[in-house]
Amino acid sequence: GAGVSQSPSNKVTEKGKDVELRCDPISGHTALYWYRQSLGQGLEFLIYFQGNSAPDKSGLPSDRFSAERTGGSVSTLTIQRTQQEDSAVYLCASSPRDSSYEQYFGPGTRLTVT
Amino acid sequence: AQKITQTQPGMFVQEKEAVTLDCTYDTSDQSYGLFWYKQPSSGEMIFLIYQGSYDEQNATEGRYSLNFQKARKSANLVISASQLGDSAMYFCDPGSARQLTFGSGTQLTVLP
Repeated sequence: GAGVSQSPSNKVTEKGKDVELRCDPISGHTALYWYRQSLGQGLEFLIYFQGNSAPDKSGLPSDRFSAERTGGSVSTLTIQRTQQEDSAVYLCASSPRDSSYEQYFGPGTRLTVT
Repeated sequence: AQKITQTQPGMFVQEKEAVTLDCTYDTSDQSYGLFWYKQPSSGEMIFLIYQGSYDEQNATEGRYSLNFQKARKSANLVISASQLGDSAMYFCDPGSARQLTFGSGTQLTVLP
C-alpha cells in the first residue's frame, strides 16, 4: 500500500518568502506528526495532530510556523517570512493510533533558505 | 523530560557479523515503550523494533533484537548477520513522550 508522501521533495526559497510543505499520511492513520531534522542531528518535534482533537503545537519554534490538517488527512506546514535557520529537512510521520506505536515517515522535504 | 544517550557516534562491523548498538535513557515514567529507528543515507526514517517497558521477553524482529535491561535503563539493539544495507544512522527513543525524541544517533557502517 501507499506510504506517507511529502511534497515537494526539495524547496529552495529566498529569505523572507513564505513556503508550504505538504504531507499525505497513510490512509486511516489518525495521528500525524511534523518534525524537523537539521544536518547530522536527531529529530525536533514541531506539531502533532490526532483525529479531531486540538493539535499539540508545543514544538513550533516561532509564530512564523503554522500547520493545519484538513479532513483528518492531508496536512500543510506553512513557514512565513523564512529565515536561513529554517533550512532543514522537514519530516512528516503518521501513526495508526496515539502514542506508543510506531510512526511511519515520509521521505521528507529538504528546505534551503538562501 | 527524558534524556537519551547513544555513546557510539560511529560503529563499524564486518558483513555477516553481529553488532550491538548501545542506548541508555533517563526517564521518570513507569510505563514507556522503547523504539529503534534507522535512517539510511537516502534520508527515510524507518521503524525497526519496539518493546514495552513491562514486556518480560526481549523483542525480536527478524535480524533485530533488543537487549532490554530496565533496571539499568538500557535498551541495546542487536543486529545479527549484518548486511551492507544495514549501513545507516540508528536512533533509539524510550517513547515516554508522544512524539519521538532522538539524540544524535549512531552511524553504523557495514564493511564488505
